[in-house]
Amino acid sequence: GQQLNQSPQSMFIQEGEDVSMNCTSSSIFNTWLWYKQDPGEGPVLLIALYKAGELTSNGRLTAQFGITRKDSFLNISASIPSDVGIYFCAGQLGTYNNNDMRFGAGTRLTVKP
Amino acid sequence: GAVVSQHPSWVICKSGTSVKIECRSLDFQATTMFWYRQFPKQSLMLMATSNEGSKATYEQGVEKDKFLINHASLTLSTLTVTSAHPEDSSFYICSARWLGRAYNSPLHFGNGTRLTVT
Repeated sequence: GQQLNQSPQSMFIQEGEDVSMNCTSSSIFNTWLWYKQDPGEGPVLLIALYKAGELTSNGRLTAQFGITRKDSFLNISASIPSDVGIYFCAGQLGTYNNNDMRFGAGTRLTVKP
Repeated sequence: GAVVSQHPSWVICKSGTSVKIECRSLDFQATTMFWYRQFPKQSLMLMATSNEGSKATYEQGVEKDKFLINHASLTLSTLTVTSAHPEDSSFYICSARWLGRAYNSPLHFGNGTRLTVT
């Protein structure tokens, strides 16, 4: 099956710094999604991307769907302590009723005040 | 909208007992729900796909007789861990896809259930 490579695995940054993480795949996807997971909770959807080349923002978060449909990145600007958590990328082919969603291994973000 | 509720949020049980975890879509109908397992510091591992009114589809390596899934309605799926063992201790998360939305609509996740088997 499709493999998603997410990097970096972890990041330690100072409050106020910008963050960038990305996902690449050996196969194409029709949808790219970014989720954040806080400890002991389920993932929460941050941004959904549906078209190659699409650039979407959600507050301080910006994500792009790569032109080749094999990659996506997520940027967080001016990080704050509550940005701490694990960020997962997910690629989806979009076949209804089948779980065609694949997850990256996650990027663990630590923000130092 | 698109709220998925999972219950309980945590449970401790003794070896050999069974535990039922509920997953409800609160404000939408979901023909398909998914069950994941997550080990510490790892990504989500799909266990099974639960379709309303039919048998669940299990991923390779997941014992269907151990992890019983029932999807009796468009808003409720249950996962029962039967004859639990300590190695079943994990974080279990469900997700649901909004019926009627586009085929590529995102999954919405429950808050997870922390199972500890002693």
